[in-house]
Amino acid sequence: EPEVTQTPSHQVTQMGQEVILRCVPISNHLYFYWYRQILGQKVEFLVSFYNNEISEKSEIFDDQFSVERPDGSNFTLKIRSTKLEDSAMYFCASSDGGGEYFGPGTRLTVT
Amino acid sequence: QKEVEQNSGPLSVPEGAIASLNCTYSDRGSQSFFWYRQYSGKSPELIMFIYSNGDKEDGRFTAQLNKASQYVSLLIRDSQPSDSATYLCAVRDDSSASKIIFGSGTRLSIRP
Repeated sequence: EPEVTQTPSHQVTQMGQEVILRCVPISNHLYFYWYRQILGQKVEFLVSFYNNEISEKSEIFDDQFSVERPDGSNFTLKIRSTKLEDSAMYFCASSDGGGEYFGPGTRLTVT
Repeated sequence: QKEVEQNSGPLSVPEGAIASLNCTYSDRGSQSFFWYRQYSGKSPELIMFIYSNGDKEDGRFTAQLNKASQYVSLLIRDSQPSDSATYLCAVRDDSSASKIIFGSGTRLSIRP
């Protein structure tokens, strides 16, 4: 069964450093998303991406964040200068227009 | 601010019984409704989605939608210990590219 994959599973970084989180969505899906979940809290939307551009972003997704689909398979989230409060699980998801299928997540720890 | 509300639980149900999970949402423009299951430390797993008023059944799961009351529910028949997890209700408005707004989840515990 096709699935969304994410790398790395765990990333530890120092405050102020840049991180890139990588995702491979399900191959025939057209809609891509990033969400995050701070420990013990709700899953929060960050950004949606369709037709090679951002279709919607939340207030969390400020200038420190960017997304890219560098080739036909990968979808990346970059955080330019990490803050302590960026520590969370980051989930990539993809959809064919129906429900969204989530990857296993990247646990980002900012020290 | 669009909201999705769920009772946090825990909801304790004996094995073999029906578990009933409820959710309300604030935005009348919402068009798509989803139930996800999340085990501790894992990612949300899509169980089912529903778009139209009424019931939708998939195996042991039944989703119920009442748009007039802005209410969505999930019934799990013949509950198993492996159903113990947090169940997330999620709602999306009228665009397939739009975000899903998640509730905070209901923790379900199936006791043997």
